[in-house]
Amino acid sequence: GQQLNQSPQSMFIQEGEDVSMNCTSSSIFNTWLWYKQDPGEGPVLLIALYKAGELTSNGRLTAQFGITRKDSFLNISASIPSDVGIYFCAGLIQGAQKLVFGQGTRLTINP
Amino acid sequence: SQTIHQWPATLVQPVGSPLSLECTVEGTSNPNLYWYRQAAGRGLQLLFYSVGIGQISSEVPQNLSASRPQDRQFILSSKKLLLSDSGFYLCAWIDGVLWETQYFGPGTRLLVL
Repeated sequence: GQQLNQSPQSMFIQEGEDVSMNCTSSSIFNTWLWYKQDPGEGPVLLIALYKAGELTSNGRLTAQFGITRKDSFLNISASIPSDVGIYFCAGLIQGAQKLVFGQGTRLTINP
Repeated sequence: SQTIHQWPATLVQPVGSPLSLECTVEGTSNPNLYWYRQAAGRGLQLLFYSVGIGQISSEVPQNLSASRPQDRQFILSSKKLLLSDSGFYLCAWIDGVLWETQYFGPGTRLLVL
């Protein structure tokens, strides 16, 4: 089946640093979604990408839909303590009835 | 606007007891509905999904079952819980026509003792 390889699995950074994570696959996706999950809560959508090459920002977050449609990255600039959590990428293949999720990137920030 | 509800929020059940978790969606029609399970600190495992009333697709053979008795209601059940059923259960929906974004509910934390 389709798989998404999300990296890194975990990150330990200092407050104020920039963060970069990515997802890659051997499959072509029509949509890429990035979520953030806080402890004990459901994942919340951060950014949605619908076109190859699309670069979208949401405040300090920037995500891109790879040209090959097989990858996507998420950047967080000037990290703050509330950025702590687990970040998931998800991809949708045309005609499929379900998303494919990455395994998540756990972000920890040292003040 | 659309909202998704799950209840209960937390549940502690003995091994061998039955289970019923409910998910309802408001503000949309004919959504695709999904049940995921998440072990502590881990990724999302898709358990079941439904594209319409009475239509259930199972992703992982296990001790659980799902039902969709109404358009915007999705139920996760078990006749006899196992210790390994403990986890964080998430319901999600996506517009089956637009296929743009999937939204998650707040989750149910289940502890089987």
